[in-house]
Amino acid sequence: AQSVTQLGSHVSVSEGALVLLRCNYSSSVPPYLFWYVQYPNQGLQLLLKYTSAATLVKGINGFEAEFKKSETSFHLTKPSAHMSDAAEYFCAVSFVRGYQKVTFGTGTKLQVIP
Amino acid sequence: GAVVSQHPSWVICKSGTSVKIECRSLDFQATTMFWYRQFPKQSLMLMATSNEGSKATYEQGVEKDKFLINHASLTLSTLTVTSAHPEDSSFYICSASRTGAGWGYGYTFGSGTRLTVV
Repeated sequence: AQSVTQLGSHVSVSEGALVLLRCNYSSSVPPYLFWYVQYPNQGLQLLLKYTSAATLVKGINGFEAEFKKSETSFHLTKPSAHMSDAAEYFCAVSFVRGYQKVTFGTGTKLQVIP
Repeated sequence: GAVVSQHPSWVICKSGTSVKIECRSLDFQATTMFWYRQFPKQSLMLMATSNEGSKATYEQGVEKDKFLINHASLTLSTLTVTSAHPEDSSFYICSASRTGAGWGYGYTFGSGTRLTVV
């Protein structure tokens, strides 16, 4: 079965500091991996996705993530946090082909301190 | 492109009544749509997969008679919460994938519906 584990339900960073949100996956077949952001009372917005091409994936709003098969990780980073980055972030995994089910992690709430 | 509209955004209903939530893909066709439920401060739990022209596939533990899903066209799926009770209060989100798109396309999510049953 596929799953993702997000380490840390809450992460606080100072404005301008590095953002690092951790995600580890478990999948018996090559995975597709996603990061989504959710603002209060809103749906999810796709930040970036890994689809078996380049292992370093660049997304919107300055975020990027690196797929590391040896570590089964897909951590999300941003060099410099902005106040507007404060939100909930979800890592998600799906199979490369076939079944379309997407499994979400439990989420990490990012707080940006001025 | 790839916009999913979900309506209503907020709904308050009395216990025992039914509520319908609509999910529309505005600028693309979606053979498959997904319905999720999100409890406060928790992740999204997939409730069911909605397939155009056929019956929805429900996840284990989800009551199909309570959460009726209809996917009558390539751009519209509806979720009806029948005989709603306070424990059904939650945030419901739909998502859709563009028909024929490769896996790399990902999914587009609606803005969600906050259901409160009183």
